[in-house]
Amino acid sequence: AQTVTQSQPEMSVQEAETVTLSCTYDTSENNYYLFWYKQPPSRQMILVIRQEAYKQQNATENRFSVNFQKAAKSFSLKISDSQLGDTAMYFCAYLTGTASKLTFGTGTRLQVTL
Amino acid sequence: GAVVSQHPSWVICKSGTSVKIECRSLDFQATTMFWYRQFPKQSLMLMATSNEGSKATYEQGVEKDKFLINHASLTLSTLTVTSAHPEDSSFYICSAPWTSRRLDTQYFGPGTRLTVL
Repeated sequence: AQTVTQSQPEMSVQEAETVTLSCTYDTSENNYYLFWYKQPPSRQMILVIRQEAYKQQNATENRFSVNFQKAAKSFSLKISDSQLGDTAMYFCAYLTGTASKLTFGTGTRLQVTL
Repeated sequence: GAVVSQHPSWVICKSGTSVKIECRSLDFQATTMFWYRQFPKQSLMLMATSNEGSKATYEQGVEKDKFLINHASLTLSTLTVTSAHPEDSSFYICSAPWTSRRLDTQYFGPGTRLTVL
């Protein structure tokens, strides 16, 4: 079974600074997808960024980028120029290439401060 | 973008009663929907996979007779919590993949907060 591990329960960053959230996963598959979801206080799950395992290039979405290390099974999220609105729970998630069941990590609570 | 709605957004009920939660895909058809449960400050736990026109698939440890799932159409799945007890109080979230586009992209509903007194 696939597992997703987020080793940082909480993190804090000052506004305009950069922060990196860690995620590791375990799988025996070669074709899969990785995601970072954001859950603000409203609790609406919002997709932040997606990475296909077959792509070597790291995905980027504006201020959000990932460092995907397939051999190490690592998928970290970098948030640049942090904003107060980035304060949320961040979940790393894994999806196999053959199914649509997401496996979530335990989450990292990010607090952006002034 | 795709939108998934849930109704109600919150509900309070007495112990022993049943509560139905609806999940709708508003601008796309979803042959599959997923139901999650989330306790405070915890991650999402998949409860079951709802399949249009067939029985739901439940995850290990989830009581199928307690959490009834019906996926009657391509845009609607319902979760009924039967004979609710205070320990069923939780945040329930549904999601649906937009399968005609990308199987890997799931859209989440805003969630339903259930409180059982």
